[in-house]
Amino acid sequence: GAVVSQHPSRVICKSGTSVKIECRSLDFQATTMFWYRQFPKQSLMLMATSNEGSKATYEQGVEKDKFLINHASLTLSTLTVTSAHPEDSSFYICSARVGQGVYEQYFGPGTRLTVT
Amino acid sequence: GQNIDQPTEMTATEGAIVQINCTYQTSGFNGLFWYQQHAGEAPTFLSYNVLDGLEEKGRFSSFLSRSKGYSYLLLKELQMKDSASYLCAVVGGATNKLIFGTGTLLAVQP
Repeated sequence: GAVVSQHPSRVICKSGTSVKIECRSLDFQATTMFWYRQFPKQSLMLMATSNEGSKATYEQGVEKDKFLINHASLTLSTLTVTSAHPEDSSFYICSARVGQGVYEQYFGPGTRLTVT
Repeated sequence: GQNIDQPTEMTATEGAIVQINCTYQTSGFNGLFWYQQHAGEAPTFLSYNVLDGLEEKGRFSSFLSRSKGYSYLLLKELQMKDSASYLCAVVGGATNKLIFGTGTLLAVQP
């Protein structure tokens, strides 16, 4: 149990276009989902926290107008990178959590975004 | 603010024991996780400590000292497949956000 999927696993887009990444909890309802970004040879950096039905909370330095997060249901959150630039190329990972407990957080397999 | 530090890289020999340290300074503390991450993959859960002391799970053990803001991950009987990044992450704050350390890239050599 506790499986989180991401789609797509890899995406290549042209500079200036927008890309949507989906994160789904397949066998549980996730009250909270988190989006992380990871550059090569670096650790995961938390971008934002999203709760179902409410606005996402962004970490300091993350542009909310560039990284649009929608958590429309208890099993789906989406991250849209708008007007993508080559510096947005990164590994994007989501995680999903049940309730407010610290233990129940499960990671998706990640999405490799390359902006050309 | 929050600050979580780990050594950037470590090298060890197959069959040996290696200890990866993590020091942290956070506002609010609700536990510390260790994750393993192979290149291009998502992190996988290794251990969770919320109380002081040692948690043992097979070849992996994790230690926590809350008063010192210190944890370590101990890997025994190293295997080549243990070559990966090891991430220390602290849970804290009102929303129990998981904040990751810098990560330690472990290379296991024959």
